[in-house]
Amino acid sequence: EDQVTQSPEALRLQEGESSSLNCSYTVSGLRGLFWYRQDPGKGPEFLFTLYSAGEEKEKERLKATLTKKESFLHITAPKPEDSATYLCAVQAAMDSNYQLIWGAGTKLIIKP
Amino acid sequence: DAGITQSPRHKVTETGTPVTLRCHQTENHRYMYWYRQDPGHGLRLIHYSYGVKDTDKGEVSDGYSVSRSKTEDFLLTLESATSSQTSVYFCAISGTSGEQFFGPGTRLTVL
Repeated sequence: EDQVTQSPEALRLQEGESSSLNCSYTVSGLRGLFWYRQDPGKGPEFLFTLYSAGEEKEKERLKATLTKKESFLHITAPKPEDSATYLCAVQAAMDSNYQLIWGAGTKLIIKP
Repeated sequence: DAGITQSPRHKVTETGTPVTLRCHQTENHRYMYWYRQDPGHGLRLIHYSYGVKDTDKGEVSDGYSVSRSKTEDFLLTLESATSSQTSVYFCAISGTSGEQFFGPGTRLTVL
């Protein structure tokens, strides 16, 4: 069964304290792995797509990496405005309707 | 930002009444999706559409129906709302690159 597991469920960091969020997945052929950010009361905001093992994408203090079994979202020197829930999703290569399989998310809190 | 709007943004209704939520896009994307998001469950797919008048069920479709008569509009209907359908509903759109882009959400409360 295709599934996505994110860990930890919640992470509290001090401002400037770097860390990583994990997204483990099992899927029968990966078309893409997607990272989103969601702020309270808003819809998920697209961050990155990763397509193959070894690929990396960066945006400001965020860097996403991909292996054959998991993805990491590295947060370098975070600021309070990076506080949000981060969602991971995968898309199976055989899915012709581009459906996403979602993880439950990691709630990140950055304290000043 | 992707051009996606949802209406209404907030709605309170009573058990047994019909409710229709609207999703409107200006991106001309083929694929549209309705999700619900509840604490402890994350995002769950209700229905999706892969073209005008082409729709299919997601994992939590019971009690919901959808219609898509134009590329830009995707309607979600609760025929007879129940308290278990109290949730936040998100619409998303996708082109063939795979990324989904989300609307702002509708917060529905069924009393």
